[in-house]
Amino acid sequence: DIVMTQSPLFLPVTPGEPASISCRSSQSLLHANGYNYLDWYLQKPGQSPQLLIYLASNRASGVPDRFSGSGSGTDFTLKISRVEAEDVGVYYCMQSVQTPLTFGPGTKLEIK
Amino acid sequence: QVQLQESGPGLVNPSQTLSLTCTVSGGSISNGGYYWSWIRQHPGKGLEWIGNIYFGGSTYYNPSLKSRVTISIDTSKNQFSLKLTYVTAADTAMYFCARLGEGPKSSSIDFWGQGTLVAVSS
Repeated sequence: DIVMTQSPLFLPVTPGEPASISCRSSQSLLHANGYNYLDWYLQKPGQSPQLLIYLASNRASGVPDRFSGSGSGTDFTLKISRVEAEDVGVYYCMQSVQTPLTFGPGTKLEIK
Repeated sequence: QVQLQESGPGLVNPSQTLSLTCTVSGGSISNGGYYWSWIRQHPGKGLEWIGNIYFGGSTYYNPSLKSRVTISIDTSKNQFSLKLTYVTAADTAMYFCARLGEGPKSSSIDFWGQGTLVAVSS
């Protein structure tokens, strides 16, 4: 299985400030077709997860442009340019390059 | 807008079988291009993929659960189902059904159900 790790696991942020979350995989997520099969999800309190970023760097429909994803291979980053109160929750990365699909442990973002 | 809704017992006895159904609305489960998935989340913990099914019936299971899991699909009812046998307290979790893209450019989980909490206890 591909093991996903995230850092930090807890992220207190002041509104308006930037935030960054790192995700690393135990194997490359770069497929032979050139796509990195890495997604980012946000699970807001009491809700189901929602897709933020797919294929490492593509914002899902309706996701504000303050969210961006980057990286390739085994190292990926989610950045929030200016954190807002509605961004609180747990952020998960997930790989889908091979089954079983696996998720990172999650990063809990909290507003200071 | 596709919507998914889980249904099933919220309490299961140890060693019995957990059975859940996901009803899909706003789109046909038979259209292709998507896997229909089950994912669970233990209380206060992260996400664990259980398995997928394609509309044609092909299934993919997490090896950690494969011996106990069966996912099936009923295209006439636009539903897919999960059965997990010989449950223990370790199977207590929130169970989500979800839609996973199948194509090379759409391999993400774009729609999730609200989740249903299943407790295993006597």
